[in-house]
Amino acid sequence: QVQLVQSGAEVKKPGASVKVSCKASGYTFTSYDINWVRQATGQGLEWMGWMNPNSGNTGYAQKFQGRVTMTRNTSISTAYMELSSLRSEDTAVYYCARAYCSGGSCYPGYWGQGTLVTVSS
Amino acid sequence: SYELTQPPSVSVSPGQTARITCSGDALPKKYAYWYQQKSGQAPVLVIYEDSKRPSGIPERFSGSSSGTMATLTISGAQVEDEADYYCYSTDSSGNHKVFGGGTKLTVL
Repeated sequence: QVQLVQSGAEVKKPGASVKVSCKASGYTFTSYDINWVRQATGQGLEWMGWMNPNSGNTGYAQKFQGRVTMTRNTSISTAYMELSSLRSEDTAVYYCARAYCSGGSCYPGYWGQGTLVTVSS
Repeated sequence: SYELTQPPSVSVSPGQTARITCSGDALPKKYAYWYQQKSGQAPVLVIYEDSKRPSGIPERFSGSSSGTMATLTISGAQVEDEADYYCYSTDSSGNHKVFGGGTKLTVL
């Protein structure tokens, strides 16, 4: 079965960077895009961007352009999301989500368990 | 940047029909998807491609789309349907995805 297992909670100081990992199993890692979505406490879901694990191509939401980098290591079926210049407003649960494709359209179909990133001085 | 607009809250009594709307300029050309999220859990897809229901989702969940508005309908809402619901779609280019702001459904 498809599983996405994310790295553990992080506490970072303002201005630092954080790198969250997402290890995939149960399918061919390079066959489906990975999306990253975050959710601040009590707030809504926010799409951050996507990555094609086969090509490494990425697309980022305008809000995160210049601060976010999505990469992968295909040898260990793991995707990464790095967010830099952290500020308190980046405190949130970060999810990776594998695309599920049907009839030519794709959407986040399988979700990781989420990683809490806390930014505090 | 592209936005999807949802009402912040909807409230119904058990057994009534709940309707949650999502408006966006690209919806006439792009599919809408609906996610249910209960407290402390990852989102779960309840409707895809405007009106299709994944296996395992109760028949009381249905979706429709007309013009710039997509609608999630829960016919005969149950207490266990209380959750936050988010619509999801893409901009006209298809490259940038977006979630609506979310709607808190109260069933009591």
